[in-house]
Amino acid sequence: DVKLVESGGGLVKPGGSLKLSCAASGFTFSSYTMSWVRQTPEKRLEWVATISSGGSYTYYPDSVKGRFTISRDNAKNTLYLQMSSLKSEDTAMYYCTRGGTRDAMDYWGQGTSVTVSS
Amino acid sequence: DIKMTQSPSSMYASLGERVTITCKASQDINSYLSWFQQKPGKSPKTLIYRANRLVDGVPSRFSGSGSGQDYSLTISSLEYEDMGIYYCLQYDEFPLTFGAGTKLELK
Repeated sequence: DVKLVESGGGLVKPGGSLKLSCAASGFTFSSYTMSWVRQTPEKRLEWVATISSGGSYTYYPDSVKGRFTISRDNAKNTLYLQMSSLKSEDTAMYYCTRGGTRDAMDYWGQGTSVTVSS
Repeated sequence: DIKMTQSPSSMYASLGERVTITCKASQDINSYLSWFQQKPGKSPKTLIYRANRLVDGVPSRFSGSGSGQDYSLTISSLEYEDMGIYYCLQYDEFPLTFGAGTKLELK
């Protein structure tokens, strides 16, 4: 069975940094595009980042570009999201998903919560 | 950016009723449209991809249709377990964009 397990969330001050991880199992991780999606406290879903299967290509919305970095370690079947210069509006539940543009997001992790507050 | 206009934002329906939720994209998205269901305290679950393809294990009462800019999700006969929030997503081009969600509640 496909399994995605996020970790690394927590409480961080504005301007701080945090690194999220997503451990994948049950499929050939290195063959799939992967993405991060967040859900705000108002329940709005927002796409955060996508990385190609080999890791060569990354994509971000303007809201996080230059502050967030998506990466992956295909040997460890793990996806990462490095977040820096965090703002209060980054407060959300962060989900790891399999898929991205032109590849349907078909599986979601359980999420890890990030709160940015002083 | 492609804007996804989802309607209604909330609705009440009775068990056994046929329910339809729509999403309109601000431009043609070539059927790169997914539907997700989310129940309280849970992560979203993918129901439909490529506008009309049912994910394995999803009940056949769920169906998707549409093309171009206009898409819909239909539940043919509402069951209690279908209560939740439904979202659409266009994944034709970056930035990927979601609809604002439809909260489905029991009448």
